[in-house]
Amino acid sequence: RKEVEQDPGPFNVPEGATVAFNCTYSNSASQSFFWYRQDCRKEPKLLMSVYSSGNEDGRFTAQLNRASQYISLLIRDSKLSDSATYLCVVGGDKIIFGKGTRLHILP
Amino acid sequence: NAGVTQTPKFQVLKTGQSMTLQCAQDMNHEYMSWYRQDPGMGLRLIHYSVGAGITDQGEVPNGYNVSRSTTEDFPLRLLSAAPSQTSVYFCASSYGADNYGYTFGSGTRLTVV
Repeated sequence: RKEVEQDPGPFNVPEGATVAFNCTYSNSASQSFFWYRQDCRKEPKLLMSVYSSGNEDGRFTAQLNRASQYISLLIRDSKLSDSATYLCVVGGDKIIFGKGTRLHILP
Repeated sequence: NAGVTQTPKFQVLKTGQSMTLQCAQDMNHEYMSWYRQDPGMGLRLIHYSVGAGITDQGEVPNGYNVSRSTTEDFPLRLLSAAPSQTSVYFCASSYGADNYGYTFGSGTRLTVV
């Protein structure tokens, strides 16, 4: 099992739709969890940390299920500017990235 | 506050040449890492450091060396460049392991011919 697994996509969704990304990780001792966003030919940028209690930032909601070793990201009312690759990230001393899920928001 | 600075932004090397990719951060971050990103492979960890004087190997360390003599700097050395090392290299830093995300540099695009 790979350390961090994501559906590679691409997800093509109409503007205004809700889209969900899922991620699983293999190391049960992992301490920290994040979602990053990467635009084409740019560096990854932190979107949000993920906590066991779940957390929300505007249109974005992240959930962590430690028992199932599963992380999710929900984007509501998607915008054209949300088009990007979304990276699931799991870590401790070293941080491991999933390969990312590409999202295209269609006008 | 410059964040994470990588130099150079672009580099072309001939097979067998050596070079050092520079990475510096001014945020007093203890943790620093080097990643390479290839199409379809995602970001793969090359080497990482949890503090000055401490380094460890990541997923793909072969052909690369690192050192961490100061908190600020974490250079990546390519010992003898090979075409398989053509990639985009990212340096990143963080305060620590617990829910502190990494801040990335803008990357170095390396081509080995």
